[in-house]
Amino acid sequence: GAGVSQSPSNKVTEKGKDVELRCDPISGHTALYWYRQSLGQGLEFLIYFQGNSAPDKSGLPSDRFSAERTGGSVSTLTIQRTQQEDSAVYLCASSPGGAGTDIQYFGAGTRLSVL
Amino acid sequence: KQEVTQIPAALSVPEGENLVLNCSFTDSAIYNLQWFRQDPGKGLTSLLLIQSSQREQTSGRLNASLDKSSGRSTLYIAASQPGDSATYLCAVRPGAGNNRKLIWGLGTSLGVNP
Repeated sequence: GAGVSQSPSNKVTEKGKDVELRCDPISGHTALYWYRQSLGQGLEFLIYFQGNSAPDKSGLPSDRFSAERTGGSVSTLTIQRTQQEDSAVYLCASSPGGAGTDIQYFGAGTRLSVL
Repeated sequence: KQEVTQIPAALSVPEGENLVLNCSFTDSAIYNLQWFRQDPGKGLTSLLLIQSSQREQTSGRLNASLDKSSGRSTLYIAASQPGDSATYLCAVRPGAGNNRKLIWGLGTSLGVNP
């Protein structure tokens, strides 16, 4: 597709369940980012991929959060044993990844609600 | 630790007005600064990116300035239109090299009334 695609757009889950969020970046973009936006708070960086490797995982809030990227394309963010404080909009972005190409293109996000 | 603040938090103006949104950051050692627009249910759209060596960038009715030494950026919107109603976010990329993490402000919610 032409833009960054995220699925599902909405996810409601019960506390303690695992969830997987998917991001399809713009074709050819080597850099991929995950952010979290909680109600009333700014965007929070989670993790950044360059190709399939993650040079910066510093934003992952706990070991319940993990992410992978395969084939230099699709990425999956997994949250294990979800907690109510995990409820947020999870945003994915991609960028071309080369020097001087910092503009990030965002998907519409996945709204996660943990009951 | 880099912190980004945006003022005002919300703004409501009549159509046609020129307006200024403000962004300040605590650490002047930035690589670049970006302004984004966020529309409900549609994600974020990059509006302007200013490299640390630049003073301003312009796109249509938008002009963003950067004063790195004082830790400030402004987004100027000329002749505002109802379609400009959205939340405007400022984000800085700290330092240089391979750190591509963005630090975000909380945004300014803009309403332009017809």
